[in-house]
Amino acid sequence: QVQLVQSGAEVKKPGASVKVSCKASGYTFTDYYLYWVRQAPGQGLEWMGRINPNSGDTNFPQKFQGRVTMTRDTSINTAYMALSSLTSDDTAVYYCARVRAAIVDFWGQGTLVTVSS
Amino acid sequence: DIQMTQSPSSLSAFVGDRVTITCRASQTIFTYLNWYQQKPGKAPKLLIYAASSLQSGVPSRFSGSGSGTDFTLTISSLQPEDFATYYCQQSYSSPPVTFGGGTKVEI
Repeated sequence: QVQLVQSGAEVKKPGASVKVSCKASGYTFTDYYLYWVRQAPGQGLEWMGRINPNSGDTNFPQKFQGRVTMTRDTSINTAYMALSSLTSDDTAVYYCARVRAAIVDFWGQGTLVTVSS
Repeated sequence: DIQMTQSPSSLSAFVGDRVTITCRASQTIFTYLNWYQQKPGKAPKLLIYAASSLQSGVPSRFSGSGSGTDFTLTISSLQPEDFATYYCQQSYSSPPVTFGGGTKVEI
């Protein structure tokens, strides 16, 4: 069965960076795009970008340009999302999600990132 | 970017009620509209894709309709496990991906 297993919760200080991993299993990793989506406490879903695990190509909304990096390691079927220059506004649960034709059909369990001094 | 607007932002209902949630796109998205359910502390779950196609394993009391700019998610008979927040998402023009603001269904 398809599974996306994310790394554990992180606590970071303002200005720091965080890197979240997402290990895929149960399907061919390079056949599906992955999205990263975040959700601040009590808020809605915010798309942070996508990666093509086959080519490594990425796309991000303007809001995250220059601050987010998405990579993958096809040898271990794992994708990574790194976010730099963290502020308290980046406190959120971060999800990776498998995509087919821009439809998210499977989600990771989420990774809570807390930014606090 | 295509903006997605859901209404209402929250609603109260009883078990057995028929519940309808609406989603409006800022421009036509044909039937490229998906619905997700999210329970507290859990990841979202795909319910409906392409406006009206039921994802495998989703109960038939959930249905979706609409095309162009106006869409609805209907729960024909609300069950206790359906109390959750529901999000729409357009898949016509991406990137960027855009979600609605969510509708919280509570007792």
